Amino acid sequence: QSALTQPASMSASPGQSITISCAGTNTDIGSYDLVSWHQLYPGKAPKLIIYEVDKRPSGISNRFSGSKSGNTASLTISGLRTEDEGDYYCFSFAGRPYLFGTGTRVTVL
Amino acid sequence: QVQVVQSGAEVKKPGASVKVSCETSGYTFNHYYLHWVRQAPGQGLEWMGWINPDGGGTNYAPKFQDRVTMTVDTSITTAYMELRRLISDDSAVYYCARIHDSGWTLDPWGQGTLVTVSS
Repeated sequence: QSALTQPASMSASPGQSITISCAGTNTDIGSYDLVSWHQLYPGKAPKLIIYEVDKRPSGISNRFSGSKSGNTASLTISGLRTEDEGDYYCFSFAGRPYLFGTGTRVTVL
Repeated sequence: QVQVVQSGAEVKKPGASVKVSCETSGYTFNHYYLHWVRQAPGQGLEWMGWINPDGGGTNYAPKFQDRVTMTVDTSITTAYMELRRLISDDSAVYYCARIHDSGWTLDPWGQGTLVTVSS
């Protein structure tokens, strides 16, 4: 497997919620709770928003939450804001080599 | 605070090599692995490998095993990623990222270095 599977794009209106899925296998996502989520904006350094499935780094809004069930991890963004627009990637620190998701572009309508 | 600052954009010809630097500050350099990740235009993120600054041990993704070398200079708390025998598909933004305090993900990241391979 060369990448974890995410939806290519998702969109919602301000204030709504979206949930991005990240599908892997029992050798990566399913093996340990080592999934993280990173937010990318063009021209800026990627930003960690969730680690170890559901932990938020200091300074990250509680509108971001993570979960996992079996071989699939999920990122939920609640109360969507325009500044949440961007690309989101899951990352599994389990398995070899380490794998990123295919990426999801989030658009706020 | 922890900072990760990468070198500037590069333009290389096919067959050449490129060496990207990643200068760090604000923490004990030897205590945290550094990883390299790339993103080709219109593509997703791709993990390339890591280096342990404490001793220089490395682990490369199989795809890059025969073309990449990651090194560090501990005296200036800087890591380097050299990619050889460049082809057009190597055109990408290359990121350096420190291992997170948890040990299980990457944070912070550098700002990225654009490498363009073109004849």
